Amino acid sequence: DAGVTQSPTHLIKTRGQQVTLRCSPKSGHDTVSWYQQALGQGPQFIFQYYEEEERQRGNFPDRFSGHQFPNYSSELNVNALLLGDSALYLCASSSLVTEAFFGQGTRLTVV
Amino acid sequence: GQNIDQPTEMTATEGAIVQINCTYQTSGFNGLFWYQQHAGEAPTFLSYNVLDGLEEKGRFSSFLSRSKGYSYLLLKELQMKDSASYLCAADSNDYKLSFGAGTTVTVRA
Repeated sequence: DAGVTQSPTHLIKTRGQQVTLRCSPKSGHDTVSWYQQALGQGPQFIFQYYEEEERQRGNFPDRFSGHQFPNYSSELNVNALLLGDSALYLCASSSLVTEAFFGQGTRLTVV
Repeated sequence: GQNIDQPTEMTATEGAIVQINCTYQTSGFNGLFWYQQHAGEAPTFLSYNVLDGLEEKGRFSSFLSRSKGYSYLLLKELQMKDSASYLCAADSNDYKLSFGAGTTVTVRA
């Protein structure tokens, strides 16, 4: 079992650009959540996808959007990147009966 | 809103015991997670408490008091590999985990 896989592992973007991060959930999991973790902070909930719909959203602007595909994999898109968007982006997958399993994350640097 | 508080840093000696406290104020509270996160790595699951009381799992134990909005993680027989950040997270009925800022534990020889 590959667990939760995220790609890419590292990314450098320029202010104003757009970025897409990808996540494949652990086998058997149907729910994907995305978190932003700034250096020295705990993860902050961005949104959760279930059955290809956004089920819940945290306090993030509309520049942050996502998608879930029929195979349960997910994408996080961020438009009009700001310096403050630099962070570790974590994907977590779960099912009704399991705790959240986290991927290794994508380290995004905006310059 | 959600409010999760835990100490920023703790230092202890190899073989000792450390207790990491976490207080929370969360609407629709279901339970309390503890995760371990080594630098540059993903958080890994340690424990999940739903009911009041102590749950022991090897060298790690976790306690929950729902009425007090309080939890702690107890690390016994500390090893160097236990040096990491420990994240307290409240699970609520709105499908999201609300994390504290994390407690960095440093184990010294």
